[in-house]
Amino acid sequence: DAGVIQSPRHEVTEMGQEVTLRCKPISGHDYLFWYRQTMMRGLELLIYFNNNVPIDDSGMPEDRFSAKMPNASFSTLKIQPSEPRDSAVYFCASSLYSGSTDTQYFGPGTRLTVL
Amino acid sequence: AQSVTQLDSHVSVSEGTPVLLRCNYSSSYSPSLFWYVQHPNKGLQLLLKYTSAATLVKGINGFEAEFKKSETSFHLTKPSAHMSDAAEYFCVVSLSNFGNEKLTFGTGTRLTIIP
Repeated sequence: DAGVIQSPRHEVTEMGQEVTLRCKPISGHDYLFWYRQTMMRGLELLIYFNNNVPIDDSGMPEDRFSAKMPNASFSTLKIQPSEPRDSAVYFCASSLYSGSTDTQYFGPGTRLTVL
Repeated sequence: AQSVTQLDSHVSVSEGTPVLLRCNYSSSYSPSLFWYVQHPNKGLQLLLKYTSAATLVKGINGFEAEFKKSETSFHLTKPSAHMSDAAEYFCVVSLSNFGNEKLTFGTGTRLTIIP
């Protein structure tokens, strides 16, 4: 398996623009997680899905953030409108049967810069 | 509530000397504990995990960690550091309860290896 795939790897945009980050989890994994990593706040869980259903989105910072998982092999994280404080590295991760006991496999991340 | 504290933000060791990265956790229930490693500009990778089996856990690349309930600690060790060990290391805790699949990440310890 190719592992968790994220695109784009780098995104530079201007404040107010819509940004869409994409993730393809490892085939057969039931759980998908979106994280954000910044120097100030470290690694934060934004939202996670189980079998394509959002389970906990309490980490989503604002209504400007939304995430979808239309099928088992694809998820998106959208920011609209984007702001400079959204600049961070966004990671997608997937796990087989459990998020709390199984290994989470991380993608390479998307580095987002909002000017 | 669960939390994890990494006692050192930065550790420097000489190549060939032992590595000790310290982690203390707080959890109301029986926790699962993990160490993840992040090399520069990469995603996170699992080093090892404890899920209520043997208290001494061996991981990849010669790392190991010991779960000590009485001390609420899960320190990461390696007998002899290698240049390739230079990275950021995260101690992670989860509740291992059904319905809560979230991981709580520590703030990270940056390991520098001196040639």
